[in-house]
Amino acid sequence: DIQMTQFPSSVSASVGDRVTITCRASQDISQGMTNWLAWYQQRPGKAPKLLIYGASSLESGVSSRFSGSGSGTEFTLTINSLQPEDFATYYCQQANSFLPLAFGGGTKVEMK
Amino acid sequence: QVQLVESGGGLVKPGGSLRLSCEASGFTFSDYYMTWIRQAPGMGLEWVAYIGSGRRFIKYADSVQGRVTISRDDAKNSLYLEMNTLRAEDTALYYCGRVDRDRDSGYYVDTWGQGILVTVSS
Repeated sequence: DIQMTQFPSSVSASVGDRVTITCRASQDISQGMTNWLAWYQQRPGKAPKLLIYGASSLESGVSSRFSGSGSGTEFTLTINSLQPEDFATYYCQQANSFLPLAFGGGTKVEMK
Repeated sequence: QVQLVESGGGLVKPGGSLRLSCEASGFTFSDYYMTWIRQAPGMGLEWVAYIGSGRRFIKYADSVQGRVTISRDDAKNSLYLEMNTLRAEDTALYYCGRVDRDRDSGYYVDTWGQGILVTVSS
Protein backbone atom coordinates (compact mmCIF):
# COMPACT_ATOMS: atom_id res chain seq x y z
CA ASP A 1 0.00 0.00 0.00
CA ILE A 2 1.04 3.58 -0.54
CA GLN A 3 2.22 5.47 2.53
CA MET A 4 2.11 9.25 2.94
CA THR A 5 4.56 10.70 5.44
CA GLN A 6 4.30 14.27 6.62
CA PHE A 7 6.88 16.25 8.55
CA PRO A 8 7.12 17.91 10.86
CA SER A 9 4.25 16.47 12.89
CA SER A 10 3.91 19.84 14.59
CA VAL A 11 5.38 23.30 14.19
CA SER A 12 5.26 26.35 16.44
CA ALA A 13 5.01 29.66 14.66
CA SER A 14 3.95 33.26 15.13
CA VAL A 15 1.56 35.44 13.18
CA GLY A 16 3.40 36.70 10.11
CA ASP A 17 5.76 33.72 9.87
CA ARG A 18 6.23 31.50 6.86
CA VAL A 19 5.54 27.81 7.48
CA THR A 20 6.55 24.93 5.23
CA ILE A 21 5.19 21.40 5.53
CA THR A 22 6.55 18.43 3.60
CA CYS A 23 4.71 15.34 2.41
CA ARG A 24 6.48 12.31 1.02
CA ALA A 25 4.77 9.48 -0.85
CA SER A 26 6.16 5.95 -0.76
CA GLN A 27 5.70 5.74 -4.53
CA ASP A 28 5.39 8.10 -7.45
CA ILE A 29 1.93 9.72 -7.61
CA SER A 30 2.60 11.85 -10.66
CA GLN A 31 2.29 11.20 -14.35
CA GLY A 32 3.71 13.68 -16.81
CA MET A 33 2.62 17.14 -15.72
CA THR A 34 -0.13 15.79 -13.42
CA ASN A 35 0.59 15.50 -9.72
CA TRP A 36 -2.20 13.83 -7.81
CA LEU A 37 -1.71 15.40 -4.41
CA ALA A 38 -4.09 17.43 -2.27
CA TRP A 39 -3.72 19.47 0.90
CA TYR A 40 -6.48 19.94 3.47
CA GLN A 41 -6.85 22.19 6.50
CA GLN A 42 -8.73 21.02 9.57
CA ARG A 43 -9.58 23.43 12.33
CA PRO A 44 -10.48 22.01 15.77
CA GLY A 45 -13.93 20.48 15.82
CA LYS A 46 -14.47 21.06 12.11
CA ALA A 47 -14.43 18.94 8.98
CA PRO A 48 -11.37 19.16 6.74
CA LYS A 49 -11.34 21.72 3.95
CA LEU A 50 -9.67 21.29 0.57
CA LEU A 51 -6.95 23.90 0.08
CA ILE A 52 -4.85 22.71 -2.85
CA TYR A 53 -5.26 20.05 -5.52
CA GLY A 54 -2.96 18.86 -8.24
CA ALA A 55 -0.09 19.65 -5.85
CA SER A 56 -0.13 23.37 -6.70
CA SER A 57 -3.61 24.53 -7.76
CA LEU A 58 -5.42 26.69 -5.24
CA GLU A 59 -9.01 25.72 -4.47
CA SER A 60 -11.53 28.45 -5.20
CA GLY A 61 -11.90 30.85 -2.29
CA VAL A 62 -8.68 29.82 -0.57
CA SER A 63 -6.26 32.57 0.39
CA SER A 64 -3.22 33.08 -1.83
CA ARG A 65 -1.10 32.82 1.33
CA PHE A 66 -1.27 29.09 0.67
CA SER A 67 0.85 27.55 -2.05
CA GLY A 68 1.89 24.06 -2.97
CA SER A 69 4.67 22.53 -4.99
CA GLY A 70 6.36 19.26 -5.76
CA SER A 71 6.12 16.24 -7.98
CA GLY A 72 6.78 12.54 -7.96
CA THR A 73 7.13 11.59 -4.32
CA GLU A 74 7.93 14.87 -2.54
CA PHE A 75 5.55 17.78 -2.03
CA THR A 76 5.40 20.91 0.08
CA LEU A 77 2.73 23.21 1.42
CA THR A 78 3.82 26.74 2.25
CA ILE A 79 1.81 29.22 4.27
CA ASN A 80 3.09 32.77 3.85
CA SER A 81 2.45 35.47 6.45
CA LEU A 82 0.66 33.15 8.88
CA GLN A 83 -2.67 34.53 10.11
CA PRO A 84 -4.55 33.64 13.33
CA GLU A 85 -7.09 31.56 11.38
CA ASP A 86 -4.28 29.43 9.90
CA PHE A 87 -3.50 27.71 13.21
CA ALA A 88 -4.87 24.28 12.39
CA THR A 89 -3.84 20.79 11.33
CA TYR A 90 -2.88 20.17 7.72
CA TYR A 91 -3.08 16.88 5.85
CA CYS A 92 -1.78 15.78 2.50
CA GLN A 93 -3.64 13.16 0.48
CA GLN A 94 -2.59 11.15 -2.50
CA ALA A 95 -5.30 11.37 -5.18
CA ASN A 96 -4.01 9.00 -7.85
CA SER A 97 -7.05 6.92 -8.83
CA PHE A 98 -4.92 3.84 -9.53
CA LEU A 99 -3.87 3.63 -5.88
CA PRO A 100 -5.81 3.48 -2.61
CA LEU A 101 -6.54 6.94 -1.30
CA ALA A 102 -4.24 7.77 1.59
CA PHE A 103 -3.66 10.67 3.94
CA GLY A 104 -0.53 11.84 5.64
CA GLY A 105 -0.41 11.78 9.42
CA GLY A 106 -1.04 15.51 9.71
CA THR A 107 0.96 18.56 10.76
CA LYS A 108 -0.35 20.72 13.57
CA VAL A 109 0.53 24.40 13.24
CA GLU A 110 0.54 25.84 16.74
CA MET A 111 1.00 29.31 18.09
CA LYS A 112 4.46 29.98 19.47
CA GLN B 1 -25.86 25.15 -1.22
CA VAL B 2 -23.87 21.93 -1.46
CA GLN B 3 -24.41 19.95 1.72
CA LEU B 4 -23.76 16.50 3.15
CA VAL B 5 -25.45 15.35 6.36
CA GLU B 6 -24.48 12.10 8.05
CA SER B 7 -26.67 10.08 10.41
CA GLY B 8 -26.87 6.65 12.00
CA GLY B 9 -23.92 6.74 14.36
CA GLY B 10 -23.94 5.73 17.98
CA LEU B 11 -22.68 3.25 20.56
CA VAL B 12 -22.38 -0.38 19.50
CA LYS B 13 -20.86 -3.42 21.16
CA PRO B 14 -17.82 -5.17 19.69
CA GLY B 15 -18.95 -7.59 17.01
CA GLY B 16 -22.05 -5.54 16.34
CA SER B 17 -23.28 -3.80 13.21
CA LEU B 18 -24.23 -0.28 12.22
CA ARG B 19 -25.42 1.47 9.08
CA LEU B 20 -24.39 5.04 8.41
CA SER B 21 -26.28 7.28 6.01
CA CYS B 22 -25.30 10.48 4.25
CA GLU B 23 -27.91 12.67 2.60
CA ALA B 24 -26.69 14.99 -0.13
CA SER B 25 -28.25 18.20 -1.40
CA GLY B 26 -27.38 21.13 -3.63
CA PHE B 27 -25.76 19.15 -6.45
CA THR B 28 -26.48 16.32 -8.88
CA PHE B 29 -25.61 13.43 -6.58
CA SER B 30 -25.61 10.78 -9.30
CA ASP B 31 -22.79 12.55 -11.16
CA TYR B 32 -20.27 12.20 -8.36
CA TYR B 33 -18.09 9.58 -6.79
CA MET B 34 -18.62 9.56 -3.03
CA THR B 35 -16.40 8.47 -0.17
CA TRP B 36 -16.28 7.71 3.55
CA ILE B 37 -13.33 8.90 5.61
CA ARG B 38 -12.91 8.40 9.34
CA GLN B 39 -10.96 10.01 12.13
CA ALA B 40 -10.31 8.23 15.41
CA PRO B 41 -10.33 10.47 18.49
CA GLY B 42 -7.22 12.68 18.48
CA MET B 43 -5.87 10.99 15.38
CA GLY B 44 -5.48 11.71 11.68
CA LEU B 45 -7.70 11.05 8.70
CA GLU B 46 -8.15 7.53 7.34
CA TRP B 47 -9.85 6.81 4.02
CA VAL B 48 -12.42 4.00 4.34
CA ALA B 49 -14.11 3.45 0.96
CA TYR B 50 -15.38 5.11 -2.18
CA ILE B 51 -18.08 4.34 -4.71
CA GLY B 52 -18.26 5.54 -8.28
CA SER B 53 -21.13 7.21 -10.02
CA GLY B 54 -23.49 4.50 -11.20
CA ARG B 55 -21.86 2.16 -8.64
CA ARG B 56 -19.33 1.11 -11.30
CA PHE B 57 -16.28 1.36 -9.09
CA ILE B 58 -16.03 0.44 -5.44
CA LYS B 59 -12.84 0.32 -3.44
CA TYR B 60 -12.14 -0.30 0.25
CA ALA B 61 -9.22 0.28 2.56
CA ASP B 62 -7.50 -2.92 3.65
CA SER B 63 -8.39 -2.16 7.27
CA VAL B 64 -12.13 -2.53 6.58
CA GLN B 65 -12.21 -4.84 3.55
CA GLY B 66 -14.73 -7.62 4.11
CA ARG B 67 -16.38 -5.92 7.08
CA VAL B 68 -17.96 -2.86 5.47
CA THR B 69 -20.10 -2.27 2.40
CA ILE B 70 -20.48 1.09 0.71
CA SER B 71 -23.60 1.70 -1.34
CA ARG B 72 -25.67 4.52 -2.76
CA ASP B 73 -29.25 5.27 -3.75
CA ASP B 74 -29.20 8.00 -6.38
CA ALA B 75 -33.00 8.34 -6.26
CA LYS B 76 -32.70 9.32 -2.59
CA ASN B 77 -29.46 11.32 -2.99
CA SER B 78 -28.01 9.11 -0.29
CA LEU B 79 -24.78 7.31 0.48
CA TYR B 80 -24.51 4.44 2.96
CA LEU B 81 -21.88 2.54 4.90
CA GLU B 82 -22.88 -0.83 6.32
CA MET B 83 -20.40 -1.85 9.01
CA ASN B 84 -20.26 -5.35 10.49
CA THR B 85 -18.09 -7.19 13.01
CA LEU B 86 -17.18 -3.86 14.54
CA ARG B 87 -14.04 -3.55 16.65
CA ALA B 88 -12.88 -1.02 19.21
CA GLU B 89 -10.46 0.36 16.63
CA ASP B 90 -13.41 1.30 14.40
CA THR B 91 -14.33 3.97 16.94
CA ALA B 92 -14.12 7.23 15.02
CA LEU B 93 -15.87 10.22 13.56
CA TYR B 94 -17.05 9.14 10.12
CA TYR B 95 -17.17 11.76 7.38
CA CYS B 96 -19.07 11.51 4.15
CA GLY B 97 -17.32 13.24 1.27
CA ARG B 98 -17.94 14.24 -2.34
CA VAL B 99 -15.14 13.33 -4.72
CA ASP B 100 -14.43 15.77 -7.52
CA ARG B 101 -12.72 13.98 -10.43
CA ASP B 102 -13.18 16.71 -13.02
CA ARG B 103 -10.00 18.67 -12.31
CA ASP B 104 -7.26 16.29 -13.44
CA SER B 105 -8.95 12.92 -12.87
CA GLY B 106 -7.55 12.86 -9.36
CA TYR B 107 -9.76 11.98 -6.42
CA TYR B 108 -10.16 15.20 -4.41
CA VAL B 109 -12.69 15.49 -1.58
CA ASP B 110 -14.12 18.94 -2.17
CA THR B 111 -17.12 18.70 0.15
CA TRP B 112 -17.34 17.10 3.59
CA GLY B 113 -20.17 16.40 5.96
CA GLN B 114 -19.96 17.41 9.60
CA GLY B 115 -19.16 13.84 10.65
CA ILE B 116 -21.00 11.25 12.73
CA LEU B 117 -19.52 9.51 15.75
CA VAL B 118 -19.33 5.73 15.97
CA THR B 119 -18.25 4.29 19.32
CA VAL B 120 -17.51 0.59 19.64
CA SER B 121 -17.40 -0.41 23.28
CA SER B 122 -18.83 -3.01 25.64
